[in-house]
Amino acid sequence: RKEVEQDPGPFNVPEGATVAFNCTYSNSASQSFFWYRQDCRKEPKLLMSVYSSGNEDGRFTAQLNRASQYISLLIRDSKLSDSATYLCVVNGVWGAQKLVFGQGTRLTINP
Amino acid sequence: NAGVTQTPKFRVLKTGQSMTLLCAQDMNHEYMYWYRQDPGMGLRLIHYSVGEGTTAKGEVPDGYNVSRLKKQNFLLGLESAAPSQTSVYFCASGEPNTEAFFGQGTRLTVV
Repeated sequence: RKEVEQDPGPFNVPEGATVAFNCTYSNSASQSFFWYRQDCRKEPKLLMSVYSSGNEDGRFTAQLNRASQYISLLIRDSKLSDSATYLCVVNGVWGAQKLVFGQGTRLTINP
Repeated sequence: NAGVTQTPKFRVLKTGQSMTLLCAQDMNHEYMYWYRQDPGMGLRLIHYSVGEGTTAKGEVPDGYNVSRLKKQNFLLGLESAAPSQTSVYFCASGEPNTEAFFGQGTRLTVV
């Protein structure tokens, strides 16, 4: 089983739609969780961190479910500029500190 | 605002040649990482370092060596390049349990 798994998509949705991504992780002791965004041929950039209580940043909402070991990202009122690949990232535990990436979910917003 | 800088940006190698990729960060981060990204594979961790003078193997370390002689630099070496090492290489740096910041990537082709 991969440490971090995502549905690779692709997701094609119309502008203005709501889209949700899920990601599962295998290490129950993982402590930090992130969503990154990667545009074509560019480096990944942090979209938002994911906290146990859930967090929101404008049209983006991230949630963490430790019991089921998954994190989610919700994008409301999607824009053309949201087209990108979204990467789920999980941080390892102390003593085995490393960042593990999911394979990414490709999103295309259609006009 | 340099952040994480990778050198070179592009390189073409012949099979069997060697090269070193340089990653430099000016944020005084403890942790540094080398990833490779291939189509459909997401980012896979090659090696990482949790501090000056330390290195550790990631998911796909074979064929690569690394060194972290100075805190701000993390070098990735290919001793004898193979076509299977054609990829985009990303370096990143960060602090424990926080997000990582990425360089712009090195596009390597081995012919």
